[in-house]
Amino acid sequence: SQQGEEDPQALSIQEGENATMNCSYKTSINNLQWYRQNSGRGLVHLILIRSNEREKHSGRLRVTLDTSKKSSSLLITASRAADTASYFCATDSSPGTALIFGKGTTLSVSS
Amino acid sequence: GAVVSQHPSWVICKSGTSVKIECRSLDFQATTMFWYRQFPKQSLMLMATSNEGSKATYEQGVEKDKFLINHASLTLSTLTVTSAHPEDSSFYICSAILPPLADTQYFGPGTRLTVL
Repeated sequence: SQQGEEDPQALSIQEGENATMNCSYKTSINNLQWYRQNSGRGLVHLILIRSNEREKHSGRLRVTLDTSKKSSSLLITASRAADTASYFCATDSSPGTALIFGKGTTLSVSS
Repeated sequence: GAVVSQHPSWVICKSGTSVKIECRSLDFQATTMFWYRQFPKQSLMLMATSNEGSKATYEQGVEKDKFLINHASLTLSTLTVTSAHPEDSSFYICSAILPPLADTQYFGPGTRLTVL
């Protein structure tokens, strides 16, 4: 089963612009994580935000979490062509359980 | 950091044959591993949870007799796709939990299965 939706499904921007992706989920969570996947490749873990956290930063990434709205956003600042990939949010309900992935956002950054 | 490997990275087989995919935790012991499937241009879907020494738990809609999972050791889980058909063509990805940091899952690089 899938936890929720990401929007937009696809996003095309120019290098240097910011990219914002949103994720909604349905049930209560332990953590929410964001992953990147280049075409045909495996997953790269980007950032984990716990259910009791509201915002987290890592380099050019900023993640927010609103548990009251069951939603999260991923902001990539000053995007680069190398950021072109699919981005997925994933949640778990408790430690040690499987991740449930959203449908993903395909980001295309042109130079 | 913890590393999870998968073998093979890609495989092409004829319809009706069986294919085994291995998932190994290289530098840690994983009591729990997960198997996911990803169809083209779609997200990852959980297939089953594999616990060392016990039977796997399958998600609804996943045929346990078709997708055989064995987790015989703390570092190895195998997924065997039996009597594969073209509709089984997909990207199969495993993940393992590093205890006691159970929040962190480490993903393998995936196995691309193409059934002709």
